[in-house]
Amino acid sequence: DAEITQSPRHKITETGRQVTLACHQTWNHNNMFWYRQDLGHGLRLIHYSYGVQDTNKGEVSDGYSVSRSNTEDLPLTLESAASSQTSVYFCASSDPRQGREETQYFGPGTRLLVL
Amino acid sequence: AQSVTQPDIHITVSEGASLELRCNYSYGATPYLFWYVQSPGQGLQLLLKYFSGDTLVQGIKGFEAEFKRSQSSFNLRKPSVHWSDAAEYFCAVGAGYNQGGKLIFGQGTELSVKP
Repeated sequence: DAEITQSPRHKITETGRQVTLACHQTWNHNNMFWYRQDLGHGLRLIHYSYGVQDTNKGEVSDGYSVSRSNTEDLPLTLESAASSQTSVYFCASSDPRQGREETQYFGPGTRLLVL
Repeated sequence: AQSVTQPDIHITVSEGASLELRCNYSYGATPYLFWYVQSPGQGLQLLLKYFSGDTLVQGIKGFEAEFKRSQSSFNLRKPSVHWSDAAEYFCAVGAGYNQGGKLIFGQGTELSVKP
């Protein structure tokens, strides 16, 4: 079955280190999204991509970057991790060919702790 | 600007009782509306979605939601709650396929189920 996976599922890092979170989907979806989930804020959009070599900033993009070298993967990089980036990170993908019924499907999440 | 409000942060119901989770949205055009459920430690699973047509939408696990344009609401209901329904529920509004399918989430409602 097609799916969307994230790795690692849990990560502890130190302030100032660079961290990369992986997201891989096998649905061949062009659209991919990264969100962070924090208590009281729901999910907030960090970055998104509509296809290979396309990346866009979301609502809370400062301190994060993404790159899209193929359809399947959208890694999220924290350039210099800060304690404020302790959060749960979710990746999602969707197929724009669904038109009006485009629906996002989510990965299992990565829990990141920055000490 | 688009926004989603879930007025109830936490709700507790008894097993077998009925459930209604509230969701209000602010959106200038016809909204695309979603309910997702997140079980502890898990990713988000799509419960149901509304794009057009019948305003009463059926979803998985016995859930339904009703779109009321006049009230800008999309409340989630279940006639009889099971202990396994304990989870966090998120309402989301979509910006539409012509805006890249981005979602805006509410803050979430945590549901506890008493035996």
